[in-house]
Amino acid sequence: DVKVTQSSRYLVKRTGEKVFLECVQDMDHENMFWYRQDPGLGLRLIYFSYDVKMKEKGDIPEGYSVSREKKERFSLILESASTNQTSMYLCASSSAHYGYTFGSGTRLTVV
Amino acid sequence: GQQLNQSPQSMFIQEGEDVSMNCTSSSIFNTWLWYKQDPGEGPVLLIALYKAGELTSNGRLTAQFGITRKDSFLNISASIPSDVGIYFCAGPYGGATNKLIFGTGTLLAVQP
Repeated sequence: DVKVTQSSRYLVKRTGEKVFLECVQDMDHENMFWYRQDPGLGLRLIYFSYDVKMKEKGDIPEGYSVSREKKERFSLILESASTNQTSMYLCASSSAHYGYTFGSGTRLTVV
Repeated sequence: GQQLNQSPQSMFIQEGEDVSMNCTSSSIFNTWLWYKQDPGEGPVLLIALYKAGELTSNGRLTAQFGITRKDSFLNISASIPSDVGIYFCAGPYGGATNKLIFGTGTLLAVQP
């Protein structure tokens, strides 16, 4: 069964901490994405990557960075966590033409 | 920038009722997608639409690609408790083929 695995379901971090959210896919997909989900706002694209070491900003990249050193792994980094980054984070991967597979999400709380 | 607005924001219905929801865009889309997110899970693709006016069904779900290409509709007939979740419409960013913009979501609650 093909999968996108996010390393944590729930995380609680302190303001100012550096936070790493990890995502691994086993489908050999070229494209990987990080979205943020907030009630009433839907899913908003933070960053995406279409190849190893390649990345592009989405709609809300401020306060985030990403890393893609291997094809199967895409990491989202919060350089200095703030309370307004408390949210659900969803990772997805796709090969071509919208075949997105999502992970189960990481619910991050910053206190 | 592009925006996808869904309505209603939430629905609370009785089992057996039919459901209708829609999605509108500020710009034209060439593809419309509908996803469902079960509680505690990531969204899963339900239906894909590729042509204006297209009507596509998947079991009790029927989706339509609006003629103006700026809207899409999803109907669920005879709802059941497992229909509970958040429904998202989505379309490709600015013509890009591998990057999606998602709508604001419609939360559906079904009372047995």
